[in-house]
Amino acid sequence: KNQVEQSPQSLIILEGKNCTLQCNYTVSPFSNLRWYKQDTGRGPVSLTIMTFSENTKSNGRYTATLDADTKQSSLHITASQLSDSASYICVVSASGAGSYQLTFGKGTKLSVIP
Amino acid sequence: DAGVIQSPRHEVTEMGQEVTLRCKPISGHDYLFWYRQTMMRGLELLIYFNNNVPIDDSGMPEDRFSAKMPNASFSTLKIQPSEPRDSAVYFCASRASGSSETQYFGPGTRLLVL
Repeated sequence: KNQVEQSPQSLIILEGKNCTLQCNYTVSPFSNLRWYKQDTGRGPVSLTIMTFSENTKSNGRYTATLDADTKQSSLHITASQLSDSASYICVVSASGAGSYQLTFGKGTKLSVIP
Repeated sequence: DAGVIQSPRHEVTEMGQEVTLRCKPISGHDYLFWYRQTMMRGLELLIYFNNNVPIDDSGMPEDRFSAKMPNASFSTLKIQPSEPRDSAVYFCASRASGSSETQYFGPGTRLLVL
């Protein structure tokens, strides 16, 4: 069964600090992995997308890594800001003819405090 | 670009009533997705359309749920009859084929069934 597990479930950090969110998946056959940011009361917004051959991708202060061998991904946030407070959702796509198979993690809720 | 538009933003109804959620995708996008998000289960894909045709509705929980896309700029998700366990946030998302597969989410409809 395809699964995506995220950790920690929630995290509180001080403004300006760095943090790393984890995503472990058992999705096969793997197609790509995305990280979404979801602010409270809004829809998710894509941060990064990585395919099998990519092991790192950055989007400003967000850097995602992918280890396809161990089926792990991380999202590193540098110099956190109050606006980074949100839920971060890892989504893994499985390749399949004629079908669009997505497996969602339940997200990590990040709170950045002053 | 107005983004994905959903209405209503909030809906409160009584058990047994019919509920209709509406979505206008981004112009030019040929894929449309309906999701449900709850605290317990996270984001779940209910159904998606390609060129107005339903491709995969395996995520639709039961026969009480139905979705239509009569044209490229409009889709509905209907629940009849509604039940308290249907209370959730329902998101619509769209994307263009040939892109990086990034989906753009609407703001969601928060449904409460009493």
